[in-house]
Order: sequence, then structure tokens, then C-alpha cells
Amino acid sequence: DQQVKQNSPSLSVQEGRISILNCDYTNSMFDYFLWYKKYPAEGPTFLISISSIKDKNEDGRFTVFLNKSAKHLSLHIVPSQPGDSAVYFCAASGTGSARQLTFGSGTQLTVLP
Amino acid sequence: NAGVTQTPKFQVLKTGQSMTLQCAQDMNHNSMYWYRQDPGMGLRLIYYSASEGTTDKGEVPNGYNVSRLNKREFSLRLESAAPSQTSVYFCASSEYDLGRNYGYTFGSGTRLTVV
Repeated sequence: DQQVKQNSPSLSVQEGRISILNCDYTNSMFDYFLWYKKYPAEGPTFLISISSIKDKNEDGRFTVFLNKSAKHLSLHIVPSQPGDSAVYFCAASGTGSARQLTFGSGTQLTVLP
Repeated sequence: NAGVTQTPKFQVLKTGQSMTLQCAQDMNHNSMYWYRQDPGMGLRLIYYSASEGTTDKGEVPNGYNVSRLNKREFSLRLESAAPSQTSVYFCASSEYDLGRNYGYTFGSGTRLTVV
């Protein structure tokens, strides 16, 4: 049973437009959420995170929104650039038995020039 | 900065063979992890080491063993490889046994094929 779900395996967006990547979680013990970006033949790299005490965190073109009541988070990229084309993983952690990062299955983002 | 270094990058094994995947980090991190990535499954935790001298099972530990050789090195061993272990393996490290703030730093991966 996947505790972190990314239901869209792929997403295509035109350059300059907004990319919205979604993630749902089921474990109520999760209280910290991260997004990772992965290029082919490389390891995932940390992109942005958010604590459950916040509902929004922004870093340049990247904004993460958290809706705790819906157990849903999203990553917004504005404006999207061709270099953003990669696989994006949502990850979550909590305390106790949930303290290690649990990852979603990833979304392949393609930004078309 | 080397970060997390994994060797080898590619490996082909025959069913039943054994091998050890090596991982080393130079960031003085306390915690280290082994994940596998499979299509449609994301990254799944195999084993982790919260600190030097400790190891614990993750979500998918069957068929694997680990050794935290020292603070820098964390190896993953396949005693008798099976085709189901064909995957890309990632080692990661973090300052503490929590994904807070800086998350994990990952190596570039080992692509393993078992035939």
C-alpha cells in the first residue's frame, strides 16, 4: 500500500507556462514533505520542502502548497523552462517509525520549447 | 565536492551470484540509506543506518544485507542474486536520521541487471 502517491506518471507543458505536479499521502504521521528532481543517469536532488506547520513555501520559480486536511501537496513551477524536464519525486517523513523518507512513484515532466 | 560516491555504476550478474555495492560519503553525515528504484514504484527503502554501528530494515530488505563499515561507508550485499533484484540502486546520506530541511544527498546510482 503506497503511502505517498503521485497519480500522474507524466505531464507535458509549454515553455513559459505553469507546471503543477500533485502528490497525495495517507500516513497521518507524516509532517514534513519534500520534492526531489531527477535527471537520467543521476541521483535525485533536493528541490524544496515544507513543514506541516505551513501551507506554502516558495523558492524562486518553485512553490509547494500543502493541504493537510486533504492530505495533498502540489509543486508549482512558474514559468516552466526546458531545463525543468525531469522526473519529480514527492517524499514525506514523520517521527518514530515514519522518520525515514517515503517516496512517491514520480512524475515525468516534459517542458516543450 | 564528491558528496556520495557509489561503485560500480553498472553490473550484470547471473542468477545466484553474489556481489557488494559500495557507497561512501565525505560530508560527515551520520545516517546512510540504500534505496532501489523500479518503474512505477518510485524509490523504496531497503536498509538504513541511523548512525555508525547501527543498521535497520526498511520496506524491502529481503535478499539483502548491509554493513556500516565506518561513518563514511555503507555497503549493500546481495548473497544470491535473483532477477527480481534487477533495479537501479541509490545510496543516500543525511546529517541526522530525519528528512528535515536538507533532505538526503543521493549518489548517482548503480544499475544492476540479474540474468
